[in-house]
Amino acid sequence: GAVVSQHPSWVICKSGTSVKIECRSLDFQATTMFWYRQFPKQSLMLMATSNEGSKATYEQGVEKDKFLINHASLTLSTLTVTSAHPEDSSFYICSAILAGGPGETQYFGPGTRLLVL
Amino acid sequence: GESVGLHLPTLSVQEGDNSIINCAYSNSASDYFIWYKQESGKGPQFIIDIRSNMDKRQGQRVTVLLNKTVKHLSLQIAATQPGDSAVYFCAENKSSGGGADGLTFGKGTHLIIQP
Repeated sequence: GAVVSQHPSWVICKSGTSVKIECRSLDFQATTMFWYRQFPKQSLMLMATSNEGSKATYEQGVEKDKFLINHASLTLSTLTVTSAHPEDSSFYICSAILAGGPGETQYFGPGTRLLVL
Repeated sequence: GESVGLHLPTLSVQEGDNSIINCAYSNSASDYFIWYKQESGKGPQFIIDIRSNMDKRQGQRVTVLLNKTVKHLSLQIAATQPGDSAVYFCAENKSSGGGADGLTFGKGTHLIIQP
């Protein structure tokens, strides 16, 4: 149980285009989802916290107008990288917290690798 | 700012030996710690967690030790196997009482199992 999926698993796009990444909790409802970014050989960095039905909370230094987050249901959160540039190339990983669970255990998705040319 | 960090970037051990991966944290308010395993190109996989009111917690072949005095966390893996090869991250969640906070990850240690 507690499976989180992401789509697509990888994407290549041209500079200036927008890319949407989906994060789904497959067998549970998630009131809160998180988005992380990981550059090669580096650690995961929290980008934003996504709560169902409300605006996302962004970490310091993360542009909310560039990384649009929508959490329209208890099983889906989307991250849209707008006007992507090569420096946005990274591994984007989401996680979800089980609604009604202990409140802390985060289940991670498999990640989405973005390459901006 | 405060951060969670690791002492060694790479750890190489013989198959069958025990591995110890260390982590230092600086936020004394942290009350929940987690170890994750990440294989190449995949998302982090939960290994074991521990709360600040505990010193030790054991799982299957893994043990996490917490020393709050020196703000140190370690992960012990017994009888390492080839499948244990991965990058291991410690992570910190500053929430208490079931709050939903994002995690602060350490730099990671690449564990290499030699045959």
